[in-house]
Amino acid sequence: ETGVTQSPTHLIKTRGQQVTLRCSSQSGHNTVSWYQQALGQGPQFIFQYYREEENGRGNFPPRFSGLQFPNYSSELNVNALELDDSALYLCASSSKTGVPEAFFGQGTRLTVV
Amino acid sequence: ELKVEQNPLFLSMQEGKNYTIYCNYSTTSDRLYWYRQDPGKSLESLFVLLSNGAVKQEGRLMASLDTKARLSTLHITAAVHDLSATYFCAVDSRDFGNEKLTFGTGTRLTIIP
Repeated sequence: ETGVTQSPTHLIKTRGQQVTLRCSSQSGHNTVSWYQQALGQGPQFIFQYYREEENGRGNFPPRFSGLQFPNYSSELNVNALELDDSALYLCASSSKTGVPEAFFGQGTRLTVV
Repeated sequence: ELKVEQNPLFLSMQEGKNYTIYCNYSTTSDRLYWYRQDPGKSLESLFVLLSNGAVKQEGRLMASLDTKARLSTLHITAAVHDLSATYFCAVDSRDFGNEKLTFGTGTRLTIIP
């Protein structure tokens, strides 16, 4: 176990709705990154939060947004859900000091119908 | 844009055989990671390679990194059924920023008894 926890584990939403996914980072880690993994593909970087600010963003539209809280936990929000948003969403926590390694949570499986 | 390519995409091998998975990437990086993913599960960290010539071994798996050739290999020795999974390499490009991983397409490995 990595110490990174995500909630919920599964979620079904209707097209056009909004969703919030949550991630608690590993103790001592101040950086959280979010990834989207579509079925049969590798994870794609969405964005990263470091010390409560966005610290880099991948090729995702603005309807994907996030937050990081003072305890370094994080949320991923997706507005106006589309069918193609159906995927496994992975959160990874890391630290800017020490060995540069990302530890992944168990993921949230989002299905948009 | 950083590109990460793995080959083969699919690999079916008999127990007891040896094989190598290749990971090529398109830009300068001295940080490469290997992950394992079981069906429906999250990513398990296998190896962190942080310098040219780095070699790490764990059980029947050995990973190496050649930063000049922009190539990493994951070698499987005397495969056993428990190694069946999808293996991803991921590159951490300093141009893009630390711990913002670009993943390969994955290699789905099936070990046949």
